[in-house]
Amino acid sequence: GENVEQHPSTLSVQEGDSAVIKCTYSDSASNYFPWYKQELGKRPQLIIDIRSNVGEKKDQRIAVTLNKTAKHFSLHITETQPEDSAVYFCAAWGSGGAGSYQLTFGKGTKLSVIP
Amino acid sequence: NAGVTQTPKFQVLKTGQSMTLQCAQDMNHNSMYWYRQDPGMGLRLIYYSASEGTTDKGEVPNGYNVSRLNKREFSLRLESAAPSQTSVYFCALSVEFSNQPQHFGDGTRLSIL
Repeated sequence: GENVEQHPSTLSVQEGDSAVIKCTYSDSASNYFPWYKQELGKRPQLIIDIRSNVGEKKDQRIAVTLNKTAKHFSLHITETQPEDSAVYFCAAWGSGGAGSYQLTFGKGTKLSVIP
Repeated sequence: NAGVTQTPKFQVLKTGQSMTLQCAQDMNHNSMYWYRQDPGMGLRLIYYSASEGTTDKGEVPNGYNVSRLNKREFSLRLESAAPSQTSVYFCALSVEFSNQPQHFGDGTRLSIL
């Protein structure tokens, strides 16, 4: 089945700086890559997603890039603010094994934005 | 998040007890999922229901059973709880079982002593 690796596991940045989180995936047939933000004690919330027919997508301060050849995708947050502090998860829709499909998640990145 | 309602929000069980976690939706989505979240492990799929009347195993199904009661409701049952099942459980929905966004409920925090 699909394997998603996420790095780094923790990231600290100064307010106003940029943050980059990277993920790699193993299933070349994976075609959908969402990113979730989870604040402490809350549910994961979808913040941006990208499909395999697109190389980059932006939404205000957030952007995601996808390199299908290298099988990696990244989340970019510019002009970080304290409210961006949270755990971020990448995911990939691909093979779950035994002919099934599923969303496979990375293990998360704890982002801390220092005022 | 009125779209996905999970009950209960918190529960403490003793080893060997059974319980059912409930998930109900008002978004008219076809596909529903149960995940567990453990520290440092991300979210792992337990079971899913691609559509009403169907259920399938995910990545970590052992020790669990599910029921898709109707289009709105998808329950997760622990028949004989074990300490290893201490976790936060999330229900999620998507319009269809495909490469679509999944929307999560607020979770159930379950502790097994």
